[in-house]
Amino acid sequence: DTEVTQTPKHLVMGMTNKKSLKCEQHMGHRAMYWYKQKAKKPPELMFVYSYEKLSINESVPSRFSPECPNSSLLNLHLHALQPEDSALYLCASSHSGDYNEQFFGPGTRLTVL
Amino acid sequence: GDSVTQMEGPVTLSEEAFLTINCTYTATGYPSLFWYVQYPGEGLQLLLKATKADDKGSNKGFEATYRKETTSFHLEKGSVQVSDSAVYFCAAGGVTGGFKTIFGAGTRLFVKA
Repeated sequence: DTEVTQTPKHLVMGMTNKKSLKCEQHMGHRAMYWYKQKAKKPPELMFVYSYEKLSINESVPSRFSPECPNSSLLNLHLHALQPEDSALYLCASSHSGDYNEQFFGPGTRLTVL
Repeated sequence: GDSVTQMEGPVTLSEEAFLTINCTYTATGYPSLFWYVQYPGEGLQLLLKATKADDKGSNKGFEATYRKETTSFHLEKGSVQVSDSAVYFCAAGGVTGGFKTIFGAGTRLFVKA
């Protein structure tokens, strides 16, 4: 299984809502990533987990809260988002570090009203 | 700082034309280099990679050679197809501490029948 899955595919939420994005991989990868991608832009790194521990937080606002319950799962909890947070949220995984390629999921298209 | 620069698009070609997308990088250390492709509405897929100088990555008719002396990793394909229409991202991995991948701005390719 060489797939990274993400749910939901689309999400519309109000600024007062709380929602979660989910990501799963079964490739035995020990590094997992969250990226944010705006239209016609490259992905921007948000968080990196390595061996289930938060390794990098790219100064992301606290309204985004990552969680890595186990080596196969990665969540992104959303609360009190702003309309400018509307974007494609991509999850990725890799064997270890960044010398190996990252495998990306299809993304969650988030719209904040 | 570390950066990846790739030619601006969009690039519009006729089917069976030759494709070159230029990419240069500035990085501390010795990064791995990647080309990712993103089709509309999807996540990123690894197209090819090279991990050391003079390595040539190839896949689906696309090729790129890691040129340390010119810090370049140009993408080429001898005969493009309509199905190659997508956004192509050049990326450098393993910079600034191992987990970060630096992406270029992306080049949108349109192939006309």
